[in-house]
Amino acid sequence: KAGVTQTPRYLIKTRGQQVTLSCSPISGHRSVSWYQQTPGQGLQFLFEYFSETQRNKGNFPGRFSGRQFSNSRSEMNVSTLELGDSALYLCASSLGPGASYEQYFGPGTRLTVT
Amino acid sequence: GESVGLHLPTLSVQEGDNSIINCAYSNSASDYFIWYKQESGKGPQFIIDIRSNMDKRQGQRVTVLLNKTVKHLSLQIAATQPGDSAVYFCAENFLGGSYIPTFGRGTSLIVHP
Repeated sequence: KAGVTQTPRYLIKTRGQQVTLSCSPISGHRSVSWYQQTPGQGLQFLFEYFSETQRNKGNFPGRFSGRQFSNSRSEMNVSTLELGDSALYLCASSLGPGASYEQYFGPGTRLTVT
Repeated sequence: GESVGLHLPTLSVQEGDNSIINCAYSNSASDYFIWYKQESGKGPQFIIDIRSNMDKRQGQRVTVLLNKTVKHLSLQIAATQPGDSAVYFCAENFLGGSYIPTFGRGTSLIVHP
C-alpha cells in the first residue's frame, strides 16, 4: 500500500507570494492533518480535515488555510508569504479523525521563503 | 538528509546499550501521549502510545513510562541499534476532545557502532 505522498518536495518562493501544497493520503484514509516543523518552534499542528470539513485548527494566522476534496486528498495554502513561513510542512493521514487513530506522515514539503 | 531541528538535546550511546529519552509535557489535562521517531529526510513515525490511565506500556524493544505527577514521559529503547539513530519527540493530546496535539522539541539519538 502506498504511503502518504506530498508534492512538491521542495519549493522556493518570494515574500508576498502565495503557495499551495498538496497531500495524498493512504488509500482508505479519510482524515488529513497538516503540521509545520521549524528548528525554532519544532512541530506544530496546523489543521485537521475529515470528510471535507475542517475539524480543528491550531494557532496560526488566517494566511494559512486548507481544504479537503471528496477523494480525501488535501491542499494547504499560505498567502502573503513571510520569511518566517520557511519550514517543513508535513501532512499525515489516518482512518478517522481525532487522536485515537494512528497517523501516518508523509515526507514533507520543504518551503523556503526568500 | 534534511535536519529536523537545530540545537536539540543529543544522546550518544554505543550499539547494544539501553537508551532513555525524556520528555516533559505541559498540560495536566492531556490524556493521551505518543512517541515519534523522525529520521533525516522523513516524516515522523509512530513508535508507541500510552493513555493516562496507565503508567507503563511496552512494545518491541521500547517501553514508555508516564509520570502524571510531574508531567513526565520517558522512552526506553533496549539494545539500541544504529538504525535507531533519529530524532525522537513526544506528543500530548486529548482522546475525547478536540484534536490539537502539542509536540515536544525532540532529542537527537546517535548510536555509535
